[in-house]
Amino acid sequence: GDSVTQMEGPVTLSEEAFLTINCTYTATGYPSLFWYVQYPGEGLQLLLKATKADDKGSNKGFEATYRKETTSFHLEKGSVQVSDSAVYFCALSSGNTPLVFGKGTRLSVIA
Amino acid sequence: SAVISQKPSRDICQRGTSLTIQCQVDSQVTMMFWYRQQPGQSLTLIATANQGSEATYESGFVIDKFPISRPNLTFSTLTVSNMSPEDSSIYLCSVRTSSETQYFGPGTRLLVL
Repeated sequence: GDSVTQMEGPVTLSEEAFLTINCTYTATGYPSLFWYVQYPGEGLQLLLKATKADDKGSNKGFEATYRKETTSFHLEKGSVQVSDSAVYFCALSSGNTPLVFGKGTRLSVIA
Repeated sequence: SAVISQKPSRDICQRGTSLTIQCQVDSQVTMMFWYRQQPGQSLTLIATANQGSEATYESGFVIDKFPISRPNLTFSTLTVSNMSPEDSSIYLCSVRTSSETQYFGPGTRLLVL
């Protein structure tokens, strides 16, 4: 079945550092890919998405490009802030199937 | 997008009792789901709530333990029955819109003593 693998955390960065969180997937067909963010004590918020190969999703300075050849959807941000501290989930959906999530990566940004 | 509300936002319950969680969305949606997130873990799908018919449960989840209703396109309930401390989790309602994007409610934080 479909699956998502993302890098283990926690990840600790200094403010203004560059962020990469790796995500790879296994799926039949052509899934849509998503990044969700969960701030402490809150539910999940959609951060960005991409629905076909070579699409780039972007939001709040975060970007991820749908790479079909490497089955990847890595999340990047050029300069993180303390307010970006959260848990980030990579997910995919094929057709009408519910989202399949990775295990999540906890990011801590220190001033 | 979709705005989802859940009630209650949190509760502390005694073992052996049941709790019903309500999910309301501000627009008609194609699909509604219920997820569980145990402390420090990722999300696990419990079931897909089907309007006017029985929910579709994932492996490891059964209707007797997690009965679900969906009387219309904007409302669903999840009941956690005969609770034990192992049921302590965050329970999240999720909806899929016509844009094929899933949105999540704020969650219900349940502690079973």
